[in-house]
Amino acid sequence: AQKVTQAQTEISVVEKEDVTLDCVYETRDTTYYLFWYKQPPSGELVFLIRRNSFDEQNEISGRYSWNFQKSTSSFNFTITASQVVDSAVYFCALRRGETSGSRLTFGEGTQLTVNP
Amino acid sequence: EPEVTQTPSHQVTQMGQEVILRCVPISNHLYFYWYRQILGQKVEFLVSFYNNEISEKSEIFDDQFSVERPDGSNFTLKIRSTKLEDSAMYFCASFTGELFFGEGSRLTVL
Repeated sequence: AQKVTQAQTEISVVEKEDVTLDCVYETRDTTYYLFWYKQPPSGELVFLIRRNSFDEQNEISGRYSWNFQKSTSSFNFTITASQVVDSAVYFCALRRGETSGSRLTFGEGTQLTVNP
Repeated sequence: EPEVTQTPSHQVTQMGQEVILRCVPISNHLYFYWYRQILGQKVEFLVSFYNNEISEKSEIFDDQFSVERPDGSNFTLKIRSTKLEDSAMYFCASFTGELFFGEGSRLTVL
């Protein structure tokens, strides 16, 4: 069975602080994909990143960075120099890789509030 | 950029009424999905659809739900007799290599 755990329900920071959102996953598959989505107050799901299980290289995109560690089954997301516009719910998700088109399993989400 | 479109963006209905949520997936995509998000909760998988039939469904997707792709473009989710607990945001998604979500349809059951 697939499971994603985001232990942090809510995080509140002050603008310009760095913040890390944790994600721990469980799967028996050797091939899988990990995702992060942002859900702003308007409600849509905004895709941020996809990572496959064979690529443990960390990724940086502007102020966003992701740390994938298979040894600890974690895929953490860091926002550097946070801004008020980063306020949103962030979801980590997992998909099996062996079966094309398989479902996404989402974590519970982390509500990030960035205060001015 | 290609996009998945959903209608309506918001629907209010009375308990017991039938509701149809519509989605236009990206044209060359092969897999289609419905996900549900009850307010304040996580996004949950409902059903996937491939080659004109359901390929996988969750335990949430019971007999009151149905999906179809009637005309080769629209992908619909029908809820036969709505209950209060069906109030949620419903997301359509389509996939061929990359997964794209629509903006969601908010259903409110009174």
